[in-house]
Amino acid sequence: DSGVTQTPKHLITATGQRVTLRCSPRSGDLSVYWYQQSLDQGLQFLIQYYNGEERAKGNILERFSAQQFPDLHSELNLSSLELGDSALYFCASSGGTGSSYNSPLHFGNGTRLTVT
Amino acid sequence: GDSVTQMEGPVTLSEEAFLTINCTYTATGYPSLFWYVQYPGEGLQLLLKATKADDKGSNKGFEATYRKETTSFHLEKGSVQVSDSAVYFCALSGRLGGYQKVTFGTGTKLQVIP
Repeated sequence: DSGVTQTPKHLITATGQRVTLRCSPRSGDLSVYWYQQSLDQGLQFLIQYYNGEERAKGNILERFSAQQFPDLHSELNLSSLELGDSALYFCASSGGTGSSYNSPLHFGNGTRLTVT
Repeated sequence: GDSVTQMEGPVTLSEEAFLTINCTYTATGYPSLFWYVQYPGEGLQLLLKATKADDKGSNKGFEATYRKETTSFHLEKGSVQVSDSAVYFCALSGRLGGYQKVTFGTGTKLQVIP
């Protein structure tokens, strides 16, 4: 058990809809990362937060947004959904503080999004 | 910028065969290097890591040595089992500005047949 919790595990929705994915990081971790994994298995980095502040953006579409709340949980909002947004969405957390720039990431089990 | 290059898969091996999955990297500074494993239906989990040149990470029979001169971190296992079938990701982590930056390779799928 990584200590990272993602909900829901599965989500099926229609094109044009909006969904919210939720992540609770491992206790004590301040950094949260979101990744998208498509069927061809590659991991695409979406966005990173540290203690409530956005720190880095990857290939995140304008239709997608995220935030990290004061209690450190994070939400990824996906809107105007398209068929191509169907994928596994992973959240990961790490300490990432001070000298721990080399902390390993701890991943949740992901949310499988299916857009029909 | 930082990058990680892994050998393309899938890699198919018979049980008890020797495994090597190649990983090379490009990075500024002195990153740490990691191997993560993703079993079917699960998230990635840390397999092993090395934090400085010549360090060897090891876990569950897997090993990888941080080679700064060749910028490589190849994953090896002497005798694979069917249960090792998974996707393996090489990654590096370091500092960019004031935060941790992590870069993953594209993943290599390993299939071990009995």
